[in-house]
Amino acid sequence: DAGITQSPRHKVTETGTPVTLRCHQTENHRYMYWYRQDPGHGLRLIHYSYGVKDTDKGEVSDGYSVSRSKTEDFLLTLESATSSQTSVYFCAISRGQGSNEKLFFGSGTQLSVL
Amino acid sequence: GQQVMQIPQYQHVQEGEDFTTYCNSSTTLSNIQWYKQRPGGHPVFLIQLVKSGEVKKQKRLTFQFGEAKKNSSLHITATQTTDVGTYFCAGYTGGADGLTFGKGTHLIIQP
Repeated sequence: DAGITQSPRHKVTETGTPVTLRCHQTENHRYMYWYRQDPGHGLRLIHYSYGVKDTDKGEVSDGYSVSRSKTEDFLLTLESATSSQTSVYFCAISRGQGSNEKLFFGSGTQLSVL
Repeated sequence: GQQVMQIPQYQHVQEGEDFTTYCNSSTTLSNIQWYKQRPGGHPVFLIQLVKSGEVKKQKRLTFQFGEAKKNSSLHITATQTTDVGTYFCAGYTGGADGLTFGKGTHLIIQP
């Protein structure tokens, strides 16, 4: 498996609290992504990064922010968590975004917002 | 925006039966990728199809890309319990959307 570490693996928090999820890679890949996975919705892109300090929104970015200060780290922040943000969050990486680039996924973070 | 529809959502089969999942895109794709996610696991890349009408095989798995590059299928022959999981297709148009995932097909195998 690709060198991708997500932390924490599990998180329970209360509505209105801030939460930060971390993705760390050892592959020196340029692109990093945050997805959420929910029953009936599959994988939906939240935000992605194409380099240090370069990020863009995905399909479901409302309520989330990201930062990438180093190539290896991509942080996802929920400024004020809501119950609708209860989900499994996956980080993914790829070398590029061209037509031949495949994604490598981390093991996921199960987030429960009570 | 680009949409990728995948059917069926769930498929129950007896062990040894065949299984097929289908993907359809609203737009022409540059390529399509397939991923497998075991229960409790993370998606893992299986294969990528690029050419119109392309067919690729991986042991009991056969992947097809339609002539118009708007649809694809994954067929598993003689399913085994190790095939259990969710199979996702993901289409790439080459635009800013990047990869768009289908909602996945959950394969449930009864021994």
